[in-house]
Amino acid sequence: SYVLTQEPSLSVDPGQTVRITCGGKNVGSKGVQWYQLRPGQAPVLVLYDSSERPSGIPERYSGATSGDTATLTITRVEVGDEGDYYCQVWVTDGDGDPYVFGHGTKVTVL
Amino acid sequence: QLHLQESGPGLVKPSETLSLSCTVSDVSINDVNFYWGWIRHPPGKTLEWLASIYYTATAYYKPSLQSRLLISVDLSRSQVTLNLTSVTAADTGHYYCVRHTATDSSFFFDFWGRGILVTVSS
Repeated sequence: SYVLTQEPSLSVDPGQTVRITCGGKNVGSKGVQWYQLRPGQAPVLVLYDSSERPSGIPERYSGATSGDTATLTITRVEVGDEGDYYCQVWVTDGDGDPYVFGHGTKVTVL
Repeated sequence: QLHLQESGPGLVKPSETLSLSCTVSDVSINDVNFYWGWIRHPPGKTLEWLASIYYTATAYYKPSLQSRLLISVDLSRSQVTLNLTSVTAADTGHYYCVRHTATDSSFFFDFWGRGILVTVSS
């Protein structure tokens, strides 16, 4: 089955830039989604198709893919960006789950 | 603005059936562009897609749980219901109702409810 790998945690100072990576075989050939989870709130889709921002997501959020790595970049980090970030892809080959999530990266704003 | 509201028991006994409902508000549940589904988040684990359904009642399930899952849609009540049979402690977690959509290269979940915490315990 397809596996996505994320670093468990990252810390960043307010105003700085954080880059969250998602590793998977040929993930660059797939559309990658990123979700933000915060306690007590509904999860939010922050990027789809690797680099597209849904309505309401600030331009500070951007995404890119290359080879086996997808990256979510948040610039000018704010306290409100703190949370857990999960990448997700749609897998069309094999008999495993068609929707695969990474194990999440906890972003702490210092 | 779309609103998804999950409802159901917060506590379920082992071996029983978990039944969760999702009420879809402020948007048509029979919009041809969307599926409706459920994702869960067990403590300490990653997100796990469970099932999705179209307004025509066409449904898709997580392969390893297909024998225990049943998803249904009630257009008149604008509700999606998920049943999970023979629950164990491993089924404990947050359960989210989601809207499920697609582009040319991706299927993904563009809107989520706040979720409901389900604990399986005797």
